[in-house]
Amino acid sequence: DAGVTQSPTHLIKTRGQQVTLRCSPKSGHDTVSWYQQALGQGPQFIFQYYEEEERQRGNFPDRFSGHQFPNYSSELNVNALLLGDSALYLCASSLALGTGELFFGEGSRLTVL
Amino acid sequence: AQTVTQSQPEMSVQEAETVTLSCTYDTSESDYYLFWYKQPPSRQMILVIRQEAYKQQNATENRFSVNFQKAAKSFSLKISDSQLGDAAMYFCAYRRRYNFNKFYFGSGTKLNVKP
Repeated sequence: DAGVTQSPTHLIKTRGQQVTLRCSPKSGHDTVSWYQQALGQGPQFIFQYYEEEERQRGNFPDRFSGHQFPNYSSELNVNALLLGDSALYLCASSLALGTGELFFGEGSRLTVL
Repeated sequence: AQTVTQSQPEMSVQEAETVTLSCTYDTSESDYYLFWYKQPPSRQMILVIRQEAYKQQNATENRFSVNFQKAAKSFSLKISDSQLGDAAMYFCAYRRRYNFNKFYFGSGTKLNVKP
C-alpha cells in the first residue's frame, strides 16, 4: 500500500521564480492538505483540497495556490518566490469520511536563493 | 485562535529510562483532538498517539502514554523504556473535532536518546 508520495524531494530556486510541488495521496484517500514547515518550527497549514476544490485556507498570501486532480493527486504552486518561502513543504492526505487521521509524505525541501 | 506551545526545545534521556515531553494549548472549543507526532530525520511525520478531548481516560499506545489535563489545557507525552529509535522531533498538535485537516502544531521538542 503506497503511502503519501511527494516530488521533488529537494529543489533550489531564486527569488521571483515560480515553483510547483506535487503530491500523490495514500491509496484510498480523497483529501489533501499542504503544510509549510520552516526550519526549527512546526508545520503551518496552507490549505486543503477536497473534490478538486480548495476547502480551507490558512494565513498564506495568494502567491500560494493549489490544485487537485480527479485522481486526488495535488499540486502546490508558489509564485514570486521570496527568501522566506524556504521551507519543507509537507503534503498530508486523509479520508473525508474517515477518522481524520493525517498521513504525511516526506516533504519537498525548497531553498530560495 | 488556537495555539500550541512546547516549552522544551530539546531534551535528552538515557536508553531504557522514562521521559516526559510537555505541551500546552489554548482554545475556546470544548470538542477537539490532541496528537503527538514524531518526525525522524527522514522528515516523515508519524502519528504517535491521539487523545479525544471528550474522553477522560488518558490514551496509551504501548510505551507511549499521555497525561491529558483538560482544565489546565495541558497534554504531556510520556515515553517509557526509551529506545534509540525514539530519537526524533516530537510535535504536539491540535485540531477541532470536525475540522479534519487543519492541524495546529507546536514548535517541537528534539528528543535525544543516549545509549
